[in-house]
Amino acid sequence: SQTIHQWPATLVQPVGSPLSLECTVEGTSNPNLYWYRQAAGRGLQLLFYSVGIGQISSEVPQNLSASRPQDRQFILSSKKLLLSDSGFYLCAWGLLADTQYFGPGTRLTVL
Amino acid sequence: ILNVEQSPQSLHVQEGDSTNFTCSFPSSNFYALHWYRWETAKSPEALFVMTLNGDEKKKGRISATLNTKEGYSYLYIKGSQPEDSATYLCAFKGVGGSEKLVFGKGTKLTVNP
Repeated sequence: SQTIHQWPATLVQPVGSPLSLECTVEGTSNPNLYWYRQAAGRGLQLLFYSVGIGQISSEVPQNLSASRPQDRQFILSSKKLLLSDSGFYLCAWGLLADTQYFGPGTRLTVL
Repeated sequence: ILNVEQSPQSLHVQEGDSTNFTCSFPSSNFYALHWYRWETAKSPEALFVMTLNGDEKKKGRISATLNTKEGYSYLYIKGSQPEDSATYLCAFKGVGGSEKLVFGKGTKLTVNP
């Protein structure tokens, strides 16, 4: 069966510090991978998605970036965090346009 | 920009009540409509994927209908229980090369015992 992992579960970072969130998927090959964010009082916003190694589509201009160094690994990064980057970050995987399966999420607080 | 709207934003019902809420989406270039259930402190969990106009799906006390011509889907919960309390998200997938879902903001349901 497929499993998706995210870490860390919670993170408190100062403004201007770097960020690296990691997501890995087990039990499937060549999945589509997604990063979402839910900011306070807002809906689930798609940040990035990837249909293969090294292929990243960015949905929203921002100071975040994503990379997919391996088939089942998806990394969300920032060089300098902003207060507005606070939120709940979810990684998800899916096959083609099918159902997406979400990881446990990371609660990021930028102070 | 695709717009997926859900209403109401939040809903409080008593245990045993039946309830329903709405997801509106673009009626053109429709491919699929997804419903997810998101409990506090957990990950969103898939409920249904609907692709055909007139589709009706059911899972226990929860069911959903789809009207792609007018661009809406209803989610029904029969005999609500406190454990049904969650945010219910719908997500639209359009025809085209993109592999993304566009999510609504959700309807937050609270079922009071």
